[in-house]
Amino acid sequence: AQSVAQPEDQVNVAEGNPLTVKCTYSVSGNPYLFWYVQYPNRGLQFLLKYITGDNLVKGSYGFEAEFNKSQTSFHLKKPSALVSDSALYFCAVRRWGSGGYQKVTFGTGTKLQVIP
Amino acid sequence: NAGVTQTPKFRVLKTGQSMTLLCAQDMNHEYMYWYRQDPGMGLRLIHYSVGEGTTAKGEVPDGYNVSRLKKQNFLLGLESAAPSQTSVYFCASSSGIAKNIQYFGAGTRLSVL
Repeated sequence: AQSVAQPEDQVNVAEGNPLTVKCTYSVSGNPYLFWYVQYPNRGLQFLLKYITGDNLVKGSYGFEAEFNKSQTSFHLKKPSALVSDSALYFCAVRRWGSGGYQKVTFGTGTKLQVIP
Repeated sequence: NAGVTQTPKFRVLKTGQSMTLLCAQDMNHEYMYWYRQDPGMGLRLIHYSVGEGTTAKGEVPDGYNVSRLKKQNFLLGLESAAPSQTSVYFCASSSGIAKNIQYFGAGTRLSVL
């Protein structure tokens, strides 16, 4: 079984401050890890992914995420938050492997509120 | 470039009514998915398809049926709607299983009274 935990329902941060949205995962074997963002009344949009290699992954809109295998975490970060970053953020995990469909499990989402 | 298009965007049904949600993608993707999104539950996979003519059950398939007669279309049917099916439904597609970046439609908000 695989799972994703996003421990914070909501994160508030002042504009210009660094932000972190937390994600921990559980999966047998090596993981593929993803972050998606959902703006109001829209579908999810892909932000970034970790497959293998460098533990620091850079994505769209200035976001990055750090893969930490020992802590089974994949926290999303941005050095300086913008009001336009306010949205719902989803972490997702998929077990690394081949041979047929591999399910992707999404977290419950974290609402990011950037305060002007 | 339309990407993934869902119709309708909103629908209100009475208990017991049926309806079909249509998803169309123009990216020639092999894989297509239907999810439902409920508060505090994240996204849950209803059904998915790994290619034209194939479908498979996801986590919460009961009460839903799907069809993938054409590669670009993935239909989700509710035969007898129940209030528990009130949700926001998202369709997604992806080009392959390995990297599995999914592209989502804008969603269908369904209320069952």
